Amino acid sequence: DSGVTQTPKHLITATGQRVTLRCSPRSGDLSVYWYQQSLDQGLQFLIQYYNGEERAKGNILERFSAQQFPDLHSELNLSSLELGDSALYFCASSVEGSPSMITGELFFGEGSRLTVL
Amino acid sequence: QKEVEQDPGPLSVPEGAIVSLNCTYSNSAFQYFMWYRQYSRKGPELLMYTYSSGNKEDGRFTAQVDKSSKYISLFIRDSQPSDSATYLCAMNSGNTPLVFGKGTRLSVIA
Repeated sequence: DSGVTQTPKHLITATGQRVTLRCSPRSGDLSVYWYQQSLDQGLQFLIQYYNGEERAKGNILERFSAQQFPDLHSELNLSSLELGDSALYFCASSVEGSPSMITGELFFGEGSRLTVL
Repeated sequence: QKEVEQDPGPLSVPEGAIVSLNCTYSNSAFQYFMWYRQYSRKGPELLMYTYSSGNKEDGRFTAQVDKSSKYISLFIRDSQPSDSATYLCAMNSGNTPLVFGKGTRLSVIA
């Protein structure tokens, strides 16, 4: 158990809809990262928050947004969903603003599997 | 060209075999190199970490980095069925989000 909690584990929805994925980082971790994993693209970095502030942005679509709340949990909002958004969405956390330069370790949750029909 | 290239496999080996997994990359700024292991229906977990060039050994696992060739490898000795998983290489320049390879799916057959 990594200590990172993601909900929901599975989500099935229709095109055009909006969903919210939730992540609670490990106790004490200030950074939260969101990744999208699909068979053809692999694990793609979407966005990072550190202590409530956006720290880095990757290949995140404009239809997607995220935030980190004062209690450090984070939410990823996906709107106007398309078939191609079906994927596993992972949240990861680390103590530092970047993955630890000592261990290089991100702690991943078990993911939220999104299916868009 | 993607920043990190990794052969997705799948790779199937008999128990006890030596497994070689590798990645190539294009960004010469990458200094930190990791291997993550992902079991089915689980999130990735850190397996090995290496800074810059060189080798690192941890039990049956050895990670190698050749920065001159922009090539990293993971060797698994005496492979076990419990090693069956997807192995993802990951790397960064130290202050940037990790960039992952697509992962290689490994099956170790008893």
